[in-house]
Amino acid sequence: DAGITQSPRHKVTETGTPVTLRCHQTENHRYMYWYRQDPGHGLRLIHYSYGVKDTDKGEVSDGYSVSRSKTEDFLLTLESATSSQTSVYFCAIAASQETQYFGPGTRLLVL
Amino acid sequence: QQQVKQSPQSLIVQKGGISIINCAYENTAFDYFPWYQQFPGKGPALLIAIRPDVSEKKEGRFTISFNKSAKQFSLHIMDSQPGDSATYFCAASSGTGANNLFFGTGTRLTVIP
Repeated sequence: DAGITQSPRHKVTETGTPVTLRCHQTENHRYMYWYRQDPGHGLRLIHYSYGVKDTDKGEVSDGYSVSRSKTEDFLLTLESATSSQTSVYFCAIAASQETQYFGPGTRLLVL
Repeated sequence: QQQVKQSPQSLIVQKGGISIINCAYENTAFDYFPWYQQFPGKGPALLIAIRPDVSEKKEGRFTISFNKSAKQFSLHIMDSQPGDSATYFCAASSGTGANNLFFGTGTRLTVIP
């Protein structure tokens, strides 16, 4: 998976609790992305980063925040998890405005 | 609102046959069109990509056909094999800034031996 790890790989949590997902890369790529994958919707961009401390919103950013304090780490936080945030979350990285490489995913269940 | 529309949702093809998946877009600023392949439990992996300055790109058994005037592009898998059974996503981006990708909803391909 192109030097990308995601943790945890599986998580079950309760509605209203905060959750943080971590994406770690060993490629030193500039761009990092968080997507969610849901049946019937494909992959949708949540947030992305174009450098350390440089982040911006994607298509479905409500209820999510991100941080990137180091090139290699991109954190996604669900401030107060809801059942609608049950999904599979993928991190992706890119060195330039071309190929995005995806991590193995985190399966999140919010009860 | 889905920026890239993909069809069919599922596809069953006999081994050796041709699999065809279609996508359409509206945003004329899109200038990069990749296809991703995803196996169960894995992340999507880039299969092949095209830019609108060419009408076709071929890599092995995989071909992208691109029709700029119709704003449509398609993936053709020749001599389909059971190992090609996966979900395929088309995507598009404007290729600027962080090159944010907009994905289609996916096609689940099953190749029957």
